[in-house]
Amino acid sequence: NAGVTQTPKFRVLKTGQSMTLLCAQDMNHEYMYWYRQDPGMGLRLIHYSVGEGTTAKGEVPDGYNVSRLKKQNFLLGLESAAPSQTSVYFCASSYGQAGTGELFFGEGSRLTVL
Amino acid sequence: AQSVTQLGSHVSVSEGALVLLRCNYSSSVPPYLFWYVQYPNQGLQLLLKYTSAATLVKGINGFEAEFKKSETSFHLTKPSAHMSDAAEYFCAVRIYSSASKIIFGSGTRLSIRP
Repeated sequence: NAGVTQTPKFRVLKTGQSMTLLCAQDMNHEYMYWYRQDPGMGLRLIHYSVGEGTTAKGEVPDGYNVSRLKKQNFLLGLESAAPSQTSVYFCASSYGQAGTGELFFGEGSRLTVL
Repeated sequence: AQSVTQLGSHVSVSEGALVLLRCNYSSSVPPYLFWYVQYPNQGLQLLLKYTSAATLVKGINGFEAEFKKSETSFHLTKPSAHMSDAAEYFCAVRIYSSASKIIFGSGTRLSIRP
């Protein structure tokens, strides 16, 4: 049972380059999230989706875009990477409104922007 | 607006001693509350959750937490620390009317002294 899978797990970019992080879940969850984790700041919500074809902004959305074309996938894009986007990115999913909100996390993607 | 405050970014206890990690929340409506644990280079996993049933919640690995509405607290405890408990712990809050709004505290790193 794979759960939540993130690819790639590590990536190094130069300033201005673009990239996409892929998140896939096999639990038929309605909701999906992208968080970033930085030392001393906990997890901050970037974007989230409450269903296929819908996305919404979280706490720190600037510089990121997302898409959810299929229920099981949630993509996070960086159009022009900046050093401030060096972080560990976590994807998570959960059941919908009827659920308790328990999140199921991927193992993270470590991004370094030089 | 809802928020979560974790007191102490780093807690160190001796093996066998009581573990107490503090979490206070602010929410204008009854919340759902969670504790997650993150081991090095891994994603977060759920320790326990409060969803308005019993105020004393038992989780995995011998941890428990008590919801105290009057104190707006949800502190995590374990009677006897084990070396394997060394990790980072995050408190999170969700207002039950909005499954998509889950806010994390800044985290507490727990160290265990032999």
